Amino acid sequence: AQSVTQPDIHITVSEGASLELRCNYSYGATPYLFWYVQSPGQGLQLLLKYFSGDTLVQGIKGFEAEFKRSQSSFNLRKPSVHWSDAAEYFCAVGATDSWGKLQFGAGTQVVVTP
Amino acid sequence: GAGVSQSPSNKVTEKGKDVELRCDPISGHTALYWYRQSLGQGLEFLIYFQGNSAPDKSGLPSDRFSAERTGGSVSTLTIQRTQQEDSAVYLCASSLDRGQGYTFGSGTRLTVV
Repeated sequence: AQSVTQPDIHITVSEGASLELRCNYSYGATPYLFWYVQSPGQGLQLLLKYFSGDTLVQGIKGFEAEFKRSQSSFNLRKPSVHWSDAAEYFCAVGATDSWGKLQFGAGTQVVVTP
Repeated sequence: GAGVSQSPSNKVTEKGKDVELRCDPISGHTALYWYRQSLGQGLEFLIYFQGNSAPDKSGLPSDRFSAERTGGSVSTLTIQRTQQEDSAVYLCASSLDRGQGYTFGSGTRLTVV
């Protein structure tokens, strides 16, 4: 069965510092991979997605993620965080051969300190 | 519309009452999904529609939960005889293509008292 693991429940980072959020997945085939962000009281916003091709994908708000098939990982990075990046981040995996549901990780809460 | 619209944004109901939650997807999006987000539970898949059909309803927690979609557009999630454990944020999402990811609505926060 497919699964998504976000090992870090909570991360605190200083404003201006770099950020990396980890995501590992278990899936029988090449999946679609996504990162979403949820600000307090808001719905989820798509940051970026990976289907195929270049393993380094760029997203909105200065985020990028790298797909590493050998490690079954899709980690999210940002070189310099802003206070507005404080939010919860979700990694998700979907099947390339169906319209079905996305499997979401448990989320990583990011706190940005001055 | 420009985005996925959900109504109401907040709903407080008494235990045992029925509630209906509405989702207006982005125009032209054929796929529609319902998820539930509870504290400590993450995002829990409920049901997926392709057009008016529901190929996957495996996430509906019990027979008190049902959903329909009409005209390939609006969807309604109905919870009968609500229980306190039904309290959660119910999120709707739609998608034009399976590889494009979802666009989520802002959710309906349901509180059962």
